[in-house]
Amino acid sequence: GENVEQHPSTLSVQEGDSAVIKCTYSDSASNYFPWYKQELGKGPQLIIDIRSNVGEKKDQRIAVTLNKTAKHFSLHITETQPEDSAVYFCAASLRGGKLIFGQGTELSVKP
Amino acid sequence: GAGVSQSPSNKVTEKGKDVELRCDPISGHTALYWYRQSLGQGLEFLIYFQGNSAPDKSGLPSDRFSAERTGGSVSTLTIQRTQQEDSAVYLCASSLDSQTQYFGPGTRLLVL
Repeated sequence: GENVEQHPSTLSVQEGDSAVIKCTYSDSASNYFPWYKQELGKGPQLIIDIRSNVGEKKDQRIAVTLNKTAKHFSLHITETQPEDSAVYFCAASLRGGKLIFGQGTELSVKP
Repeated sequence: GAGVSQSPSNKVTEKGKDVELRCDPISGHTALYWYRQSLGQGLEFLIYFQGNSAPDKSGLPSDRFSAERTGGSVSTLTIQRTQQEDSAVYLCASSLDSQTQYFGPGTRLLVL
C-alpha cells in the first residue's frame, strides 16, 4: 500500500546550524506535500507546503524541495533556534483527498 | 479567526464505557478528518467527511468506532466499549480545498 518514509527519527543540532529532514513517498499520483510542526501537548501546525508543479518553496528560514522523479521531498530549516525544537511530520496526498503521514522527526536545537 | 476546536481536551474513562469526542471545524470548511495518534507515533487516518458525500470510513480500526457530521459542520467521533488500546490522542482537521488541512489541539483519551 501507499506509505511515506521519514528520516531521521531524531535530529539534534546546535543553535544557528541548519536542519534537514527527508521523506520519500510511494504513490506516484501524490501532488501535494505539507509539513507540520507539533509541539508537546498541541495539535500539528502547518508550516509549509508544496505542490507538484514546483520544485522548491521558501518561507523565511524554512524551505521545502521536491523531486517528483525520485519521489523525494525535504524540509530545510536554516539558522535554527531553540523554539524550532518540536516533532516535524511530512505528508503526501492520496487520491480522494486524504493525506498519509511520515512517522515524524524529533528535532532538538541546543542553545 | 477561530481555528479547529475539540472537546474535551482530556478524557479518562473505564474500559467498556462509551466515549464521544467532538470537533468544531473552521467555519466554511467542507472537509473534516479524524486521526488517531498513539504515544510517540505518527498520525493514523480514521475517517473523512467531504460535503454531502458518503464519508470515507476506510481507516476505522473496528466497528466500535463511528463518526457523524451533522449539518455539514460539527462532528462527533464515538468509541463504544472502549479498550485500553484505544488510549491515544484523537485529532480532528478541517480543510477548504480537501488538501490543506488545519488541525485542532486534540483530545487525549486514557482508558483505564
